[in-house]
Amino acid sequence: DVKVTQSSRYLVKRTGEKVFLECVQDMDHENMFWYRQDPGLGLRLIYFSYDVKMKEKGDIPEGYSVSREKKERFSLILESASTNQTSMYLCASSSLGMGTQYFGPGTRLLVL
Amino acid sequence: AQSVTQPDIHITVSEGASLELRCNYSYGATPYLFWYVQSPGQGLQLLLKYFSGDTLVQGIKGFEAEFKRSQSSFNLRKPSVHWSDAAEYFCAVDSGSGGSNYKLTFGKGTLLTVNP
Repeated sequence: DVKVTQSSRYLVKRTGEKVFLECVQDMDHENMFWYRQDPGLGLRLIYFSYDVKMKEKGDIPEGYSVSREKKERFSLILESASTNQTSMYLCASSSLGMGTQYFGPGTRLLVL
Repeated sequence: AQSVTQPDIHITVSEGASLELRCNYSYGATPYLFWYVQSPGQGLQLLLKYFSGDTLVQGIKGFEAEFKRSQSSFNLRKPSVHWSDAAEYFCAVDSGSGGSNYKLTFGKGTLLTVNP
């Protein structure tokens, strides 16, 4: 079974803090994705990566950056957290030959 | 740009009743289509997918979906709903360029409530 894990289920941070969300997948997938999920807005793609050190902006990249130094790990970074970044963050991965994305359990981030 | 519409924000059904969740997409080429389910506080789980071939696809937990190209629809069905099916359901379409990235565009979701 594909397993995608996220470093925290719940996180509380203060405005202005630098926040790291970590995602690890164990299926040697080439593609990894970060989404945020908000009520009434569904899932919106923040960034995705199709290879180590490669990344592309999604639909809402402002205020975020990412890092992929190893194939299995994809990090989302909030350089200076703001209250409007309070949300549920979901990581996903997929292989090169398949469109199916496999999701982690999510990190619920509260920025005070 | 690709888009996915789930017209129903919230649906309530009685346990044992049949279910149909609607999904319409806008996409120029032959789409790859997915249905995911999300239980409260959890990540998304794949229910089923359509890539090609038979337009009626079977998934997990007794769900099925039918691809209708003429209607640009991919509706999800279940003949008899169980209380454990209460969750949020997302339809998605592959919005990649046909290459290897396989980006998905998601609908806004349909919340399913099941009455005993």
